[in-house]
Amino acid sequence: SAVISQKPSRDICQRGTSLTIQCQVDSQVTMMFWYRQQPGQSLTLIATANQGSEATYESGFVIDKFPISRPNLTFSTLTVSNMSPEDSSIYLCSATLTGGGLQPQHFGDGTRLSIL
Amino acid sequence: QKEVEQNSGPLSVPEGAIASLNCTYSDRGSQSFFWYRQYSGKSPELIMSIYSNGDKEDGRFTAQLNKASQYVSLLIRDSQPSDSATYLCAVNNFNKFYFGSGTKLNVKP
Repeated sequence: SAVISQKPSRDICQRGTSLTIQCQVDSQVTMMFWYRQQPGQSLTLIATANQGSEATYESGFVIDKFPISRPNLTFSTLTVSNMSPEDSSIYLCSATLTGGGLQPQHFGDGTRLSIL
Repeated sequence: QKEVEQNSGPLSVPEGAIASLNCTYSDRGSQSFFWYRQYSGKSPELIMSIYSNGDKEDGRFTAQLNKASQYVSLLIRDSQPSDSATYLCAVNNFNKFYFGSGTKLNVKP
C-alpha cells in the first residue's frame, strides 16, 4: 500500500478565487488521478496527471478551469480556478503503484472545498 | 450503458448476517477488479483485489469473480454495524479504471 498525503484537508474560499491542492505519494507511482465527489454521489474523474506533460482531461473538464501539474513521479497539484459555489465538493487524489498495469488505485484523504 | 453497474441500495442486513454486494461490468477485456469501502465523509479504502475467476477470501470478506458472466461480488460474513458504508466496485483494463456508483450497506444492530 501507499501513503498519499493531500493538502489542504479542507478550505473555505471566496467566489472568483483559485485554490491549489497538493498530493504527495510516499512510494513509486505509475499513474496519478484527480477526482471530484459531490456529497452522496460517486467519483467523477477530472483528469489523469501525466509526468512532465499536459494532463489528460475527461469530458466536461478543461485545463483552464482545472490546471494540473505533475513535475515528478510522486507529486501532483490540482488548481481549481475562478471558483463558484458549484465547485463546492470533495477533491480526491489517487495513485497506482509500480508493479504492472493491473494495480489498484489508492486514495488520499481528500480536500473538502466550500465556496461562499 | 455504464461501464460498471451496481445497485445503489441501500442494502439492509441484520448484524451477524451475510451481506452480498454485486457488480457487473461491460468491458470483457477488464483485467483486474477491486472493492473499495467508503465511510461517509471519508475517502475510498481498498479492501479486496481479485484477478482470476473464482473466490478470494480475506478475513470476513470474500470476493467472487466470473469473467464469463462479467460479474463481481463481495460477500461480508458476520456483518457488523461498523461495516455500514458505501461499497464501490472498480475494474481496470491496463490503467483504464472504471468505478461503479456504489452500494450503500446498512448493518442494523
